[in-house]
Amino acid sequence: DAGVTQSPTHLIKTRGQQVTLRCSPKSGHDTVSWYQQALGQGPQFIFQYYEEEERQRGNFPDRFSGHQFPNYSSELNVNALLLGDSALYLCASSLDKREEFFGPGTRLTVL
Amino acid sequence: AQKVTQAQTEISVVEKEDVTLDCVYETRDTTYYLFWYKQPPSGELVFLIRRNSFDEQNEISGRYSWNFQKSTSSFNFTITASQVVDSAVYFCALSKGNTGKLIFGQGTTLQVKP
Repeated sequence: DAGVTQSPTHLIKTRGQQVTLRCSPKSGHDTVSWYQQALGQGPQFIFQYYEEEERQRGNFPDRFSGHQFPNYSSELNVNALLLGDSALYLCASSLDKREEFFGPGTRLTVL
Repeated sequence: AQKVTQAQTEISVVEKEDVTLDCVYETRDTTYYLFWYKQPPSGELVFLIRRNSFDEQNEISGRYSWNFQKSTSSFNFTITASQVVDSAVYFCALSKGNTGKLIFGQGTTLQVKP
């Protein structure tokens, strides 16, 4: 049974560019959440998707957007990248609001 | 507002020692959930435990145990007879109701030396 998978593993972008990160949830899970983890910090909640709709959102600007597909996989898009967007981006999946299982993350570096 | 505080930034112990990681939370909600996650150097957060606000019974799982005390808003985690493989960053987290939106603490880095 595959767990949560994320791609790519690492990514390097320059300021002003746009990036798309991808996540496949654990088999049987229907909810996907995205978190941003800066170096040395705890993860910060970005948003959560359920039934292809954004259900909750944290304190992140509109430059951060997402999407959930009918197969429950999800994308995180970040526009107009800033240096401060450099972080580990974690995807988590869950079923029926139960405990979340996290993927290995995508390390984004903005130069 | 909800908040999780892990006052211990780093802890270093020698193998086989017992170690307790502290977690203090703030919330005005009556229904909430508390979590502990382990983050090894690989970066993936590993789920350890979820406890709801109505269940103050302590829990033991192998060498791991958790002490939940609503009176002091604490949810502490103890590792008995620590091992080198326990070295990681440990996060305590809180969610309102059962929404799945987790509020994490800053994490405690545990180093277990052989």
